[in-house]
Amino acid sequence: AQKITQTQPGMFVQEKEAVTLDCTYDTSDQSYGLFWYKQPSSGEMIFLIYQGSYDEQNATEGRYSLNFQKARKSANLVISASQLGDSAMYFCAMREAFVGTYKYIFGTGTRLKVLA
Amino acid sequence: AAGVIQSPRHLIKEKRETATLKCYPIPRHDTVYWYQQGPGQDPQFLISFYEKMQSDKGSIPDRFSAQQFSDYHSELNMSSLELGDSALYFCASSLGSGGLAKNIQYFGAGTRLSVL
Repeated sequence: AQKITQTQPGMFVQEKEAVTLDCTYDTSDQSYGLFWYKQPSSGEMIFLIYQGSYDEQNATEGRYSLNFQKARKSANLVISASQLGDSAMYFCAMREAFVGTYKYIFGTGTRLKVLA
Repeated sequence: AAGVIQSPRHLIKEKRETATLKCYPIPRHDTVYWYQQGPGQDPQFLISFYEKMQSDKGSIPDRFSAQQFSDYHSELNMSSLELGDSALYFCASSLGSGGLAKNIQYFGAGTRLSVL
């Protein structure tokens, strides 16, 4: 069964430093997508970055990059030059590419606090 | 750019009452998803619709029902509300059918339901 594991319930990072949020996954499928979302205290879920299982290069979106290690089944999010506004809950999610499968499976999240 | 619109943003109900949550997807998006996020938990998939047909079903209680209308908006109907139904309910939308791992779901701001 597919599963997402985020082992860091909470993390602190100093402003302007980089931080890595861990995500490991379990799936028996060869084709899948991995996603990261940010959830500020206001509650909305904001899409950050996507990585496909067949993508050869790690995804990047501005200050966000995804360290994708397929053999280790990990998809860690790297935030560079942290800002105070990055303080939020971060969820890793996965979707398998089965026809008729639409849902995301989420991890339990990592709460990031950026310190001034 | 237009985003997913959910209404109402907040809803307070008594036990055993009914509630209707509405979702207006991003224009031209053909798939709608509903998720439930309990306090301190990750979002759990409830149900999805593709082109107005139910496409996938998760752990949605029998007391809940949902549909997608001809204009692609969706409604989640919840009856015989219980205290445990208190949660943040997200609607998300995407463009594209099942079987594709790269199917980014864009979330609305959520409806916070409190059952007293």
